Amino acid sequence: GAGVSQSPRYKVAKRGQDVALRCDPISGHVSLFWYQQALGQGPEFLTYFQNEAQLDKSGLPSDRFFAERPEGSVSTLKIQRTQQEDSAVYLCASSLGRSVGTTGELFFGEGSRLTVL
Amino acid sequence: KNEVEQSPQNLTAQEGEFITINCSYSVGISALHWLQQHPGGGIVSLFMLSSGKKKHGRLIATINIQEKHSSLHITASHPRDSAVYICAVRSSGNQFYFGTGTSLTVIP
Repeated sequence: GAGVSQSPRYKVAKRGQDVALRCDPISGHVSLFWYQQALGQGPEFLTYFQNEAQLDKSGLPSDRFFAERPEGSVSTLKIQRTQQEDSAVYLCASSLGRSVGTTGELFFGEGSRLTVL
Repeated sequence: KNEVEQSPQNLTAQEGEFITINCSYSVGISALHWLQQHPGGGIVSLFMLSSGKKKHGRLIATINIQEKHSSLHITASHPRDSAVYICAVRSSGNQFYFGTGTSLTVIP
C-alpha cells in the first residue's frame, strides 16, 4: 500500500476484554515500531521488530501486552484483559532501515484509538 | 527522565510570524526527526536530520550534534501550520525517543 495502514481506527472495549490491533506497514519496510500515545503526550515506545524478529519489547507495560509479526510484514498488537489505563492511541510506524544505525525516515499510521470502559 | 525535551510546550503566533521550536536530547543518536501531528490525525514526518540543516518550503530544520540540540523554524507562518510538532530521536540502539510535542496555534 501507499502508506502505513492501521485497523481498527477506533475500538471501544469493556474492561477485561481482549483486543487486537493490526498494522500493515509499507511494503518492503524492515523496521516496525509500536507506540502508545496518551492524550496530550508524545508517543511512548512499546516494541520494535526487524523483519519477523522482535528485537526490543522493553516498552510493553505489562505481560498483558503482546505483539507479533510472524511473516515480517503485518503486525498485531494484542492486549489481554484490558484495563481503563490502556485507553490511548496506539501508533504503528515503519522504516526502511535494514540495520542498527541505518538512518531511515519514519512513516506513521493513523493510529488505533482504544477506549476501555 | 526525558531523553528528549522540547520547548515551548505551547505557542501562539500571529499569521506571518517567524516561529522557532527547540529540541534538546541526551542520548547518542543516529538521526533526529521532526514530526507534525494534526488534531485527530496521523503523524507526518517533516524532516530527518543527522547533521547540518534542511529546508522544505517554509520549514527549516537545523541540528547541532555537539550541543545535542535541534531547532525547527517556520517562516511566514499560516493558520494551516497549526498542529503539534514533535521531535524524535533515533538512538544508536535503534530505539526512538519522543518529545512531548509543541502545540502551535497560528491566528489569522
